[in-house]
Amino acid sequence: LAKTTQPISMDSYEGQEVNITCSHNNIATNDYITWYQQFPSQGPRFIIQGYKTKVTNEVASLFIPADRKSSTLSLPRVSLSDTAVYYCLVGYSNSGYALNFGKGTSLLVTP
Amino acid sequence: EPEVTQTPSHQVTQMGQEVILRCVPISNHLYFYWYRQILGQKVEFLVSFYNNEISEKSEIFDDQFSVERPDGSNFTLKIRSTKLEDSAMYFCASRLDGTSPGYTFGSGTRLTVV
Repeated sequence: LAKTTQPISMDSYEGQEVNITCSHNNIATNDYITWYQQFPSQGPRFIIQGYKTKVTNEVASLFIPADRKSSTLSLPRVSLSDTAVYYCLVGYSNSGYALNFGKGTSLLVTP
Repeated sequence: EPEVTQTPSHQVTQMGQEVILRCVPISNHLYFYWYRQILGQKVEFLVSFYNNEISEKSEIFDDQFSVERPDGSNFTLKIRSTKLEDSAMYFCASRLDGTSPGYTFGSGTRLTVV
């Protein structure tokens, strides 16, 4: 499994764009990059997944450079409710693969 | 939006007792999982279940753990003889199929072993 490295914590003000970068130098050819969000005492929630270039949904954007050794989760105009832990996961998406969670990035959004 | 439902939300049990944690995955999902999270630590994989059998399990999932899908809707995790170190949040998750990108997690059962 590819190891991921992301900042332990980040702070932001409401209304700002937040970019969380994850490095995964030994990503394999078949691996996808997936981001989850977790609020205290709740289960993780799937945010977005990508393989290369850029993926956008109603919640976030995911930027993946050509070498795929890193990725950046972009949250536009964060609100207080975006305060959570964000996890970057790398793995082979097909079949019943087990998710390998790291420590994640704890994002604190303040007024 | 479909949900994964877990019951109970909290369970307190005495050391050595058996507990069963219950989950109702999303109805058309085919892959089922249990994860746990000890307070302040990472979310850890326990077991995956597909086609009525375990497809993968971690080192944590030893002989005191078992899973079952008894009736086509429920998915249970049994801990035979609980230890203090089993105290954690236990999350059930399901996934539509082998190509769907994300898991849907339940809100968890907080297990406290005293």
